[in-house]
Amino acid sequence: SQQGEEDPQALSIQEGENATMNCSYKTSINNLQWYRQNSGRGLVHLILIRSNEREKHSGRLRVTLDTSKKSSSLLITASRAADTASYFCATVLSGGYNKLIFGAGTRLAVHP
Amino acid sequence: DAGVTQSPTHLIKTRGQQVTLRCSPKSGHDTVSWYQQALGQGPQFIFQYYEEEERQRGNFPDRFSGHQFPNYSSELNVNALLLGDSALYLCASSLEGVLGARETQYFGPGTRLLVL
Repeated sequence: SQQGEEDPQALSIQEGENATMNCSYKTSINNLQWYRQNSGRGLVHLILIRSNEREKHSGRLRVTLDTSKKSSSLLITASRAADTASYFCATVLSGGYNKLIFGAGTRLAVHP
Repeated sequence: DAGVTQSPTHLIKTRGQQVTLRCSPKSGHDTVSWYQQALGQGPQFIFQYYEEEERQRGNFPDRFSGHQFPNYSSELNVNALLLGDSALYLCASSLEGVLGARETQYFGPGTRLLVL
């Protein structure tokens, strides 16, 4: 079974609105990463947050991590049609090599 | 700076056949990981190669094997193909030994395999 689970499975919003995606995981992690995938092609790394961090920002992206609840959220502010994609969270377990364990993803559609 | 490249982009095989997929890592990277992504699912880790050896493996049968060459490029071989092997196969590279670089994996565009 996969480590992470994203919520919601699908999200549809208008341009300019904010999009929030959540990720829950089961075991202790070294770090958690968010990736974007357009049209079933390669994944693009968005942001990494380590287990001792609580919040990180990158441009219009804001990621939070709550290790007590084993959950993370990705916020995309002022969304654009070009943000339409699938978003995946991936965890790296403590003590392991850099093996990414992905959730099933959130499919985001941003309408003009 | 060349990113991760994979070949071929698409492939159609029949059950029982064997397939080889290829990956060239991002320039300067020495670690290659392979993932399988079924339609509508997240990628699943197959294995990782470093210094020409498989050092970590996911929950995949021995029909899945790989190789890493001295130039860090890698191959994924799948024998006795099953219908369920139809998926997008993704290669990712990273740089061992440097904390930040090691943690960030760069993905190729993938090879879409269809088994009939």
